Amino acid sequence: EAQVTQNPRYLITVTGKKLTVTCSQNMNHEYMSWYRQDPGLGLRQIYYSMNVEVTDKGDVPEGYKVSRKEKRNFPLILESPSPNQTSLYFCASSLSSDTDTQYFGPGTRLTVL
Amino acid sequence: GDSVTQMEGPVTLSEEAFLTINCTYTATGYPSLFWYVQYPGEGLQLLLKATKADDKGSNKGFEATYRKETTSFHLEKGSVQVSDSAVYFCALSDLDYKLSFGAGTTVTVRA
Repeated sequence: EAQVTQNPRYLITVTGKKLTVTCSQNMNHEYMSWYRQDPGLGLRQIYYSMNVEVTDKGDVPEGYKVSRKEKRNFPLILESPSPNQTSLYFCASSLSSDTDTQYFGPGTRLTVL
Repeated sequence: GDSVTQMEGPVTLSEEAFLTINCTYTATGYPSLFWYVQYPGEGLQLLLKATKADDKGSNKGFEATYRKETTSFHLEKGSVQVSDSAVYFCALSDLDYKLSFGAGTTVTVRA
């Protein structure tokens, strides 16, 4: 089944404790991205990657890191999480660019205390 | 920069009512336009899209027409069902390879 998977689905952590949210797709997509969803703000793009080893900042990259060492994986790293990063996070992928249909993962709900 | 403005919700309707969700955009180039839907507890999924002016996207009874003259992409459905209860997001993609979303409109359909 074609899908985007994220882990964990739910995470409660404390300020400053490094964490990684994994994202994997099995559709051989080149384009992957991370979004955060906050009430009243819709989805805002954090980082995106157009291919392996190619990443770029989205609209709200501060406090986040990403890497794209393999085509299928695009982990999101929070080196020192803060409470303002409490949010619902979505990973998405598409065939070659953001004009193609985006396939979204199920979401990761992160709470930083 | 690019931006999307969609009507605020929440919107509550009865079954078989007509639904319209307004969406307008600001973009420097010739963007592609999308409507995504998010059902409770799930990720977003594409509902429909249009890539050039006057294109009409349609799916599951929903329609939206790309209007360049009014910079709009309003979503419509003639007769909603309870299963259409969801959050609807308008989005655009322009030259900078970034996808910009509106704030989302929560729609609740009552039987």
